[in-house]
Amino acid sequence: DVKVTQSSRYLVKRTGEKVFLECVQDMDHENMFWYRQDPGLGLRLIYFSYDVKMKEKGDIPEGYSVSREKKERFSLILESASTNQTSMYLCASSSPRENTGELFFGEGSRLTVL
Amino acid sequence: QKEVEQDPGPLSVPEGAIVSLNCTYSNSAFQYFMWYRQYSRKGPELLMYTYSSGNKEDGRFTAQVDKSSKYISLFIRDSQPSDSATYLCAMWGGSNYKLTFGKGTLLTVNP
Repeated sequence: DVKVTQSSRYLVKRTGEKVFLECVQDMDHENMFWYRQDPGLGLRLIYFSYDVKMKEKGDIPEGYSVSREKKERFSLILESASTNQTSMYLCASSSPRENTGELFFGEGSRLTVL
Repeated sequence: QKEVEQDPGPLSVPEGAIVSLNCTYSNSAFQYFMWYRQYSRKGPELLMYTYSSGNKEDGRFTAQVDKSSKYISLFIRDSQPSDSATYLCAMWGGSNYKLTFGKGTLLTVNP
């Protein structure tokens, strides 16, 4: 069964802390994505990666960075967390070999920054 | 004009009702149209997808695409309390990596 796993479901951090959100997929997908989801704003793309060590900015990359050292793992980094980064973070993956563009999502990481 | 518009609701219906969820879009390059279902505190999961115009049926669910009107719909027949979720439409033009999502409609089916 297709699986995208986000290591932390719920996190509480303090302003200024460095935060790592980890995502692992077991489908051998080339593409991986990080979104944040907020009420009234929907899903917004932060970063995506179409290959190991490759990354591209999405619509709201400010305050975030990413790392993709291995094909199955995509990490989102908040260098200095701020309260406006309190959100639900969703990781997703897809394969360019599938011509539908379907994304497979993890269960989400709910981050609260105090 | 936003690329994809979706009424956020919330929509509340009695069990057994027919539900209609809709999205409009402006980008004529979109070719693949999807509906995702997201239960509370979970990630979205693909419910149905349709290529180009037409209808697609899967059990109680029917997806419709009208490319001439840039309008897509999801119909749920005989709705059940287990259908209570947020439904997101998503679209893809086939030439880049990114889906374009609607903001989602929150549906509650009351027993």
